[in-house]
Amino acid sequence: GAGVSQSPRYKVAKRGQDVALRCDPISGHVSLFWYQQALGQGPEFLTYFQNEAQLDKSGLPSDRFFAERPEGSVSTLKIQRTQQEDSAVYLCASRRTAAVNQPQHFGDGTRLSIL
Amino acid sequence: AQKVTQAQTEISVVEKEDVTLDCVYETRDTTYYLFWYKQPPSGELVFLIRRNSFDEQNEISGRYSWNFQKSTSSFNFTITASQVVDSAVYFCALGTGANNLFFGTGTRLTVIP
Repeated sequence: GAGVSQSPRYKVAKRGQDVALRCDPISGHVSLFWYQQALGQGPEFLTYFQNEAQLDKSGLPSDRFFAERPEGSVSTLKIQRTQQEDSAVYLCASRRTAAVNQPQHFGDGTRLSIL
Repeated sequence: AQKVTQAQTEISVVEKEDVTLDCVYETRDTTYYLFWYKQPPSGELVFLIRRNSFDEQNEISGRYSWNFQKSTSSFNFTITASQVVDSAVYFCALGTGANNLFFGTGTRLTVIP
Protein backbone atom coordinates (compact mmCIF):
# COMPACT_ATOMS: atom_id res chain seq x y z
CA GLY A 1 0.00 0.00 0.00
CA ALA A 2 0.93 3.62 -0.26
CA GLY A 3 0.95 4.37 3.45
CA VAL A 4 2.02 2.83 6.74
CA SER A 5 -0.26 -0.05 7.63
CA GLN A 6 -0.83 -1.28 11.18
CA SER A 7 -2.72 -4.29 12.43
CA PRO A 8 -4.82 -5.04 14.26
CA ARG A 9 -6.70 -1.77 14.37
CA TYR A 10 -8.08 -2.62 17.80
CA LYS A 11 -6.87 -5.14 20.35
CA VAL A 12 -8.48 -6.11 23.62
CA ALA A 13 -6.54 -8.35 26.00
CA LYS A 14 -6.82 -9.46 29.56
CA ARG A 15 -4.20 -8.36 32.03
CA GLY A 16 -1.28 -10.74 31.95
CA GLN A 17 -1.69 -11.80 28.32
CA ASP A 18 0.94 -11.21 25.67
CA VAL A 19 0.12 -9.13 22.59
CA ALA A 20 1.84 -8.52 19.26
CA LEU A 21 1.28 -5.44 17.12
CA ARG A 22 2.32 -5.34 13.49
CA CYS A 23 3.59 -2.49 11.32
CA ASP A 24 4.07 -2.49 7.56
CA PRO A 25 6.07 0.64 6.68
CA ILE A 26 6.04 2.44 3.37
CA SER A 27 7.97 0.31 0.91
CA GLY A 28 11.65 1.17 0.80
CA HIS A 29 11.63 3.32 3.92
CA VAL A 30 14.82 2.89 5.90
CA SER A 31 13.71 4.19 9.27
CA LEU A 32 10.91 2.84 11.43
CA PHE A 33 9.60 4.18 14.73
CA TRP A 34 7.16 3.08 17.39
CA TYR A 35 5.32 5.58 19.56
CA GLN A 36 2.83 5.24 22.40
CA GLN A 37 -0.03 7.72 22.62
CA ALA A 38 -2.06 7.92 25.81
CA LEU A 39 -5.52 9.45 25.71
CA GLY A 40 -5.36 13.22 25.32
CA GLN A 41 -1.59 13.24 24.99
CA GLY A 42 0.94 13.51 22.22
CA PRO A 43 2.81 10.47 20.96
CA GLU A 44 5.81 9.40 23.01
CA PHE A 45 8.79 7.67 21.47
CA LEU A 46 9.38 4.01 22.18
CA THR A 47 12.00 2.70 19.78
CA TYR A 48 13.75 3.30 16.44
CA PHE A 49 15.05 0.99 13.70
CA GLN A 50 17.34 1.78 10.83
CA ASN A 51 16.80 -1.11 8.46
CA GLU A 52 16.95 -4.20 10.70
CA ALA A 53 19.08 -2.59 13.39
CA GLN A 54 17.39 -1.33 16.51
CA LEU A 55 19.43 1.81 17.16
CA ASP A 56 17.43 3.30 19.98
CA LYS A 57 15.13 1.62 22.47
CA SER A 58 15.43 4.21 25.19
CA GLY A 59 11.68 4.87 25.23
CA LEU A 60 10.56 1.32 25.97
CA PRO A 61 8.93 1.60 29.41
CA SER A 62 9.96 -1.81 30.72
CA ASP A 63 11.54 -5.09 29.73
CA ARG A 64 8.05 -6.36 28.98
CA PHE A 65 8.21 -4.38 25.75
CA PHE A 66 10.13 -5.83 22.84
CA ALA A 67 10.34 -4.79 19.19
CA GLU A 68 11.91 -6.37 16.15
CA ARG A 69 12.35 -5.76 12.44
CA PRO A 70 14.24 -8.84 11.31
CA GLU A 71 14.33 -8.19 7.56
CA GLY A 72 14.35 -4.44 7.63
CA SER A 73 10.74 -4.10 6.56
CA VAL A 74 7.81 -5.29 8.70
CA SER A 75 8.13 -4.65 12.41
CA THR A 76 6.42 -6.20 15.41
CA LEU A 77 6.00 -4.65 18.83
CA LYS A 78 5.41 -7.26 21.51
CA ILE A 79 4.19 -6.61 25.00
CA GLN A 80 4.46 -9.42 27.50
CA ARG A 81 2.36 -9.85 30.64
CA THR A 82 0.26 -6.81 29.79
CA GLN A 83 -0.78 -4.37 32.50
CA GLN A 84 -3.66 -1.90 32.53
CA GLU A 85 -1.24 1.00 32.16
CA ASP A 86 -0.25 -0.42 28.76
CA SER A 87 -3.65 0.65 27.40
CA ALA A 88 -2.94 3.26 24.72
CA VAL A 89 -2.73 3.78 20.99
CA TYR A 90 0.49 2.43 19.52
CA LEU A 91 1.63 4.32 16.45
CA CYS A 92 4.15 3.20 13.89
CA ALA A 93 5.95 5.64 11.61
CA SER A 94 8.40 5.24 8.78
CA ARG A 95 10.83 7.65 7.18
CA ARG A 96 12.34 7.37 3.74
CA THR A 97 15.93 7.88 4.85
CA ALA A 98 17.91 8.10 8.07
CA ALA A 99 18.01 11.90 7.80
CA VAL A 100 16.49 13.56 10.84
CA ASN A 101 15.06 16.43 8.80
CA GLN A 102 12.83 14.13 6.76
CA PRO A 103 9.21 13.79 7.89
CA GLN A 104 7.95 10.66 9.57
CA HIS A 105 4.81 9.15 8.06
CA PHE A 106 2.40 7.54 10.49
CA GLY A 107 -0.08 4.71 10.37
CA ASP A 108 -3.57 4.76 11.88
CA GLY A 109 -2.32 3.07 15.03
CA THR A 110 -3.43 0.09 17.10
CA ARG A 111 -5.72 0.90 20.00
CA LEU A 112 -4.82 -1.49 22.81
CA SER A 113 -7.18 -1.98 25.73
CA ILE A 114 -6.14 -4.09 28.69
CA LEU A 115 -8.98 -5.33 30.86
CA ALA B 1 16.22 18.46 27.32
CA GLN B 2 13.74 18.82 24.53
CA LYS B 3 10.24 20.10 25.16
CA VAL B 4 7.27 21.24 23.13
CA THR B 5 4.44 23.22 24.69
CA GLN B 6 1.04 23.69 23.12
CA ALA B 7 -0.77 25.78 25.70
CA GLN B 8 -4.12 25.73 23.92
CA THR B 9 -5.87 22.49 24.75
CA GLU B 10 -9.04 23.15 22.81
CA ILE B 11 -10.16 25.85 20.40
CA SER B 12 -13.55 26.33 18.80
CA VAL B 13 -14.17 28.67 15.90
CA VAL B 14 -17.02 29.32 13.57
CA GLU B 15 -16.51 28.31 9.97
CA LYS B 16 -14.64 30.91 7.87
CA GLU B 17 -12.92 32.42 10.88
CA ASP B 18 -9.13 32.48 11.07
CA VAL B 19 -7.42 30.55 13.86
CA THR B 20 -3.84 30.40 15.13
CA LEU B 21 -2.41 27.42 16.96
CA ASP B 22 0.53 28.20 19.22
CA CYS B 23 3.69 26.12 19.67
CA VAL B 24 6.66 26.92 21.88
CA TYR B 25 9.71 24.68 21.98
CA GLU B 26 12.83 24.21 24.07
CA THR B 27 16.10 22.71 22.95
CA ARG B 28 19.81 23.29 23.42
CA ASP B 29 20.62 21.91 20.00
CA THR B 30 21.65 24.51 17.47
CA THR B 31 20.28 22.46 14.59
CA TYR B 32 16.74 21.20 14.90
CA TYR B 33 13.57 20.68 12.92
CA LEU B 34 9.99 21.58 13.66
CA PHE B 35 6.95 19.80 12.33
CA TRP B 36 3.19 20.17 12.40
CA TYR B 37 0.94 17.14 12.16
CA LYS B 38 -2.84 16.84 11.92
CA GLN B 39 -4.66 13.95 13.62
CA PRO B 40 -8.24 13.54 12.42
CA PRO B 41 -10.66 11.21 14.23
CA SER B 42 -9.37 8.27 12.19
CA GLY B 43 -6.19 8.47 14.24
CA GLU B 44 -3.55 8.77 11.55
CA LEU B 45 -1.03 11.58 12.01
CA VAL B 46 -0.83 13.53 8.77
CA PHE B 47 2.35 15.48 8.08
CA LEU B 48 1.70 19.13 7.24
CA ILE B 49 5.00 21.00 7.26
CA ARG B 50 8.65 20.88 8.29
CA ARG B 51 10.87 23.85 9.15
CA ASN B 52 14.65 23.82 9.68
CA SER B 53 16.15 25.85 12.51
CA PHE B 54 18.33 27.82 10.12
CA ASP B 55 15.44 28.86 7.90
CA GLU B 56 13.17 31.44 9.50
CA GLN B 57 11.31 32.24 6.33
CA ASN B 58 7.60 31.99 6.90
CA GLU B 59 5.55 29.82 4.61
CA ILE B 60 2.09 29.88 3.15
CA SER B 61 0.38 26.92 1.58
CA GLY B 62 -3.17 27.59 0.53
CA ARG B 63 -5.16 28.39 3.67
CA TYR B 64 -2.28 27.32 5.92
CA SER B 65 0.58 29.53 7.03
CA TRP B 66 3.39 29.11 9.52
CA ASN B 67 5.27 31.72 11.53
CA PHE B 68 8.67 30.56 12.83
CA GLN B 69 10.45 32.91 15.26
CA LYS B 70 13.70 31.70 16.83
CA SER B 71 13.84 34.73 19.12
CA THR B 72 10.73 33.53 20.94
CA SER B 73 11.20 29.79 20.22
CA SER B 74 7.81 29.67 18.60
CA PHE B 75 6.41 27.96 15.53
CA ASN B 76 2.78 29.01 15.18
CA PHE B 77 0.30 27.69 12.66
CA THR B 78 -2.56 29.73 11.20
CA ILE B 79 -5.55 28.47 9.27
CA THR B 80 -7.42 31.15 7.37
CA ALA B 81 -11.08 30.83 6.44
CA SER B 82 -11.43 27.66 8.51
CA GLN B 83 -13.58 24.80 7.28
CA VAL B 84 -15.35 21.97 9.07
CA VAL B 85 -12.82 19.53 7.57
CA ASP B 86 -10.10 21.31 9.52
CA SER B 87 -11.54 19.90 12.75
CA ALA B 88 -8.84 17.65 14.23
CA VAL B 89 -6.11 17.55 16.84
CA TYR B 90 -2.98 19.37 15.73
CA PHE B 91 0.44 18.45 17.05
CA CYS B 92 3.65 20.41 16.96
CA ALA B 93 6.81 18.29 17.11
CA LEU B 94 10.53 18.88 17.53
CA GLY B 95 13.28 16.79 15.95
CA THR B 96 16.93 17.09 16.96
CA GLY B 97 20.06 14.96 16.73
CA ALA B 98 18.16 12.09 18.25
CA ASN B 99 16.06 10.37 15.69
CA ASN B 100 12.74 10.54 17.47
CA LEU B 101 10.29 13.41 17.53
CA PHE B 102 9.19 15.19 20.69
CA PHE B 103 5.52 16.04 20.49
CA GLY B 104 3.41 18.60 22.29
CA THR B 105 0.16 17.59 23.92
CA GLY B 106 -1.85 18.78 20.94
CA THR B 107 -4.58 21.34 20.32
CA ARG B 108 -8.06 20.10 19.51
CA LEU B 109 -9.63 22.38 16.92
CA THR B 110 -13.37 22.32 16.38
CA VAL B 111 -14.80 24.26 13.46
CA ILE B 112 -18.49 24.91 13.90
CA PRO B 113 -20.58 25.14 10.73
